[in-house]
Amino acid sequence: AQSVTQLDSQVPVFEEAPVELRCNYSSSVSVYLFWYVQYPNQGLQLLLKYLSGSTLVKGINGFEAEFNKSQTSFHLRKPSVHISDTAEYFCAVSVWDSNYQLIWGAGTKLIIKP
Amino acid sequence: DVKVTQSSRYLVKRTGEKVFLECVQDMDHENMFWYRQDPGLGLRLIYFSYDVKMKEKGDIPEGYSVSREKKERFSLILESASTNQTSMYLCASSTYEKLFFGSGTQLSVL
Repeated sequence: AQSVTQLDSQVPVFEEAPVELRCNYSSSVSVYLFWYVQYPNQGLQLLLKYLSGSTLVKGINGFEAEFNKSQTSFHLRKPSVHISDTAEYFCAVSVWDSNYQLIWGAGTKLIIKP
Repeated sequence: DVKVTQSSRYLVKRTGEKVFLECVQDMDHENMFWYRQDPGLGLRLIYFSYDVKMKEKGDIPEGYSVSREKKERFSLILESASTNQTSMYLCASSTYEKLFFGSGTQLSVL
């Protein structure tokens, strides 16, 4: 069975500092990988996705993630965070033949300190 | 832009009441989903639907049912609300590569 682990429930970081949010998954078959973001009092929206091709994926708002098949990871990074990045970030995987169902991580709250 | 609309942002109900949560999408998507979101647990799938009148149980279907009479509308029903169903409920529709979420309904069962 597939599973997704987000290693940190909260990540505090100073404004303009770099950040990495970690995500590891387990699956014996090929997967699609996603990061979604939930801003306060809003629904989730897609930040970026890996379906195939280049393992470095760029998303909205300056975020990027790298798919590492050997380490089964899909960590999210941003070189310089802004106060507006305060949100909860969810990693998710979809098995390619699963009719688009997603397996979700528990989420990581990004807390930006001024 | 795709729009997924959930009928209520906040809802307060009493134990034992029958509760209807409505969700409408405007992009003709075949796939629709109901999740509940609880702190520290991420998103858990309650039910999903791939077509009109078609439904499949997700990970936590107990105490819930769904209805999809029209392609654009997917309703979640709590047959007899209980306090452990107090949660944020999120509806989504999807293509194969992206989910589109509504703003969520925060349900409190007293």
